Amino acid sequence: DVKVTQSSRYLVKRTGEKVFLECVQDMDHENMFWYRQDPGLGLRLIYFSYDVKMKEKGDIPEGYSVSREKKERFSLILESASTNQTSMYLCASNAPGGSTNEKLFFGSGTQLSVL
Amino acid sequence: SQQGEEDPQALSIQEGENATMNCSYKTSINNLQWYRQNSGRGLVHLILIRSNEREKHSGRLRVTLDTSKKSSSLLITASRAADTASYFCARNLEGSNYQLIWGAGTKLIIKP
Repeated sequence: DVKVTQSSRYLVKRTGEKVFLECVQDMDHENMFWYRQDPGLGLRLIYFSYDVKMKEKGDIPEGYSVSREKKERFSLILESASTNQTSMYLCASNAPGGSTNEKLFFGSGTQLSVL
Repeated sequence: SQQGEEDPQALSIQEGENATMNCSYKTSINNLQWYRQNSGRGLVHLILIRSNEREKHSGRLRVTLDTSKKSSSLLITASRAADTASYFCARNLEGSNYQLIWGAGTKLIIKP
């Protein structure tokens, strides 16, 4: 089975800190995604990457950056964390060859609290 | 808004009953997907239905798609306590090859 692993289940950070959220997938997927999930809003795409070193902005990229130096790893970076970035962060990937908006495999999520 | 709309927002039923959740959208789709999310966890893919399909089954799950009404339904038959979760529909954004538009979800509670 595909496994998407997010490095932390829970994180508590202070305003202004630089925060790294790591995601690793083990199935050689080309496409990887970062979403944030807030109650009542569904999932919103922050960034996605379709290849190593390639990235595209999603709906809400402001305040975030990403890094994809290796195919299996996609990192989300909060340059200077703010309280409005308190949220559940979900990493996902999907299979190569097909459309990027087909079946996604998700990690377990990271609940980030910024104080 | 281009978001999918799901209803009901919350549904509470007795174990053994059937649960139906609906998803409506506004623009044309290539496919529509349903996902389940247990509390505080990641999402798990359930079913993908393409625009030229009307119905798909997977175990106790049945998904229908009516493109003329721009709506889809997820039916869970003979519900179990383990089906307690939030259920989300996601559809591709017209003109985009990567964007999925997510609904806000239906929270399903199965009472023993």
